Amino acid sequence: DAGVTQSPTHLIKTRGQQVTLRCSPKSGHDTVSWYQQALGQGPQFIFQYYEEEERQRGNFPDRFSGHQFPNYSSELNVNALLLGDSALYLCASSYGEKLFFGSGTQLSVL
Amino acid sequence: AQKITQTQPGMFVQEKEAVTLDCTYDTSDPSYGLFWYKQPSSGEMIFLIYQGSYDQQNATEGRYSLNFQKARKSANLVISASQLGDSAMYFCAMRFLDTGRRALTFGSGTRLQVQP
Repeated sequence: DAGVTQSPTHLIKTRGQQVTLRCSPKSGHDTVSWYQQALGQGPQFIFQYYEEEERQRGNFPDRFSGHQFPNYSSELNVNALLLGDSALYLCASSYGEKLFFGSGTQLSVL
Repeated sequence: AQKITQTQPGMFVQEKEAVTLDCTYDTSDPSYGLFWYKQPSSGEMIFLIYQGSYDQQNATEGRYSLNFQKARKSANLVISASQLGDSAMYFCAMRFLDTGRRALTFGSGTRLQVQP
């Protein structure tokens, strides 16, 4: 049984560009959440998707948007990249109370 | 809003000994869940253990146990018989149980180093 998978593992972009990160949830999980983890800090909640709808959103600007597909996989899009967007982006899937995370996408903005 | 506090930025433990990582939380809501995750240098956030606020027994998962003291609002992680592979960052996290507030709030983490 595959766990949560994320792609790509690493990404380098320049300021002003746009980026799309992808996540496939653990089998049987219908809810996907995205988190941003800056170096040396705990993860910060971006948003959560359930039944293809954004169910909850954290304190992130509209430049951060997402999508969930009928197969429960999800994308995180970030527009107009800033240097401060450099971070590890973690996807988590859940069915019930427990959340399981992927290995993350390390985004570097130059 | 909930808050998670981990007061130990770093901890050292000898191999085969037990270690306790501290976590306190602050909420007035009665329905919540508490989590511990391990994050090795590879970056993956590995689920260790979960405790619901209404659970009567302390949660255990193999060598991991959660010392849940509801009145003191603490949820300490106990790792028995430490192994070298336990060296990593450990995060305590909490979320509410109602469907509209499912975001996890994390503490700042504790870096555990297991010495041979």
